[in-house]
Amino acid sequence: GEDVEQSLFLSVREGDSSVINCTYTDSSSTYLYWYKQEPGAGLQLLTYIFSNMDMKQDQRLTVLLNKKDKHLSLRIADTQTGDSAIYFCAEMVYGQNFVFGPGTRLSVLP
Amino acid sequence: EAQVTQNPRYLITVTGKKLTVTCSQNMNHEYMSWYRQDPGLGLRQIYYSMNVEVTDKGDVPEGYKVSRKEKRNFPLILESPSPNQTSLYFCASSSQGGNSPLHFGNGTRLTVT
Repeated sequence: GEDVEQSLFLSVREGDSSVINCTYTDSSSTYLYWYKQEPGAGLQLLTYIFSNMDMKQDQRLTVLLNKKDKHLSLRIADTQTGDSAIYFCAEMVYGQNFVFGPGTRLSVLP
Repeated sequence: EAQVTQNPRYLITVTGKKLTVTCSQNMNHEYMSWYRQDPGLGLRQIYYSMNVEVTDKGDVPEGYKVSRKEKRNFPLILESPSPNQTSLYFCASSSQGGNSPLHFGNGTRLTVT
């Protein structure tokens, strides 16, 4: 079946860039998403990319998609302490169902 | 305000005592889904529904039931809860077609003793 993988932890210093990586297996994915979960809260949509795009930029966020390698990344520029959270990669499969990765816990050190 | 509402936020119960976690959305979304979140395992899908009266098993459906009698509601039922169902549960919804991201509720933290 389909599978989405992410590394579980990432630590960066405040002001540096963070890069969170994700790999997925379903080549029929139409949309790929990044969600952010802050402590004690639900998941909030950060950004998304359509599968025929290579890159999408939204303020401090840059999403890169390598469809050949089924690799997705999220870059956060000028990382702040408020960016500390769990980040989930997700793909839309079967036209409408969603599969999530295990989440990457980002810690931002002062 | 567009939202997904889950109740209760916190629930402590004992093994075998039937419980229901409610989920309601006010966005007229066709798709609804339940997930559980456990440390190191991320989000695992329990059940999902593409529309009224249409439900399908996700990755971890054992021990759970759902129903979709109306578009806005998608309750999660634990007929006989067990301690391994202690988890953080999320309900989510989305509209059909095109780019339609999931909207999440705030979660229900369930403890089964």
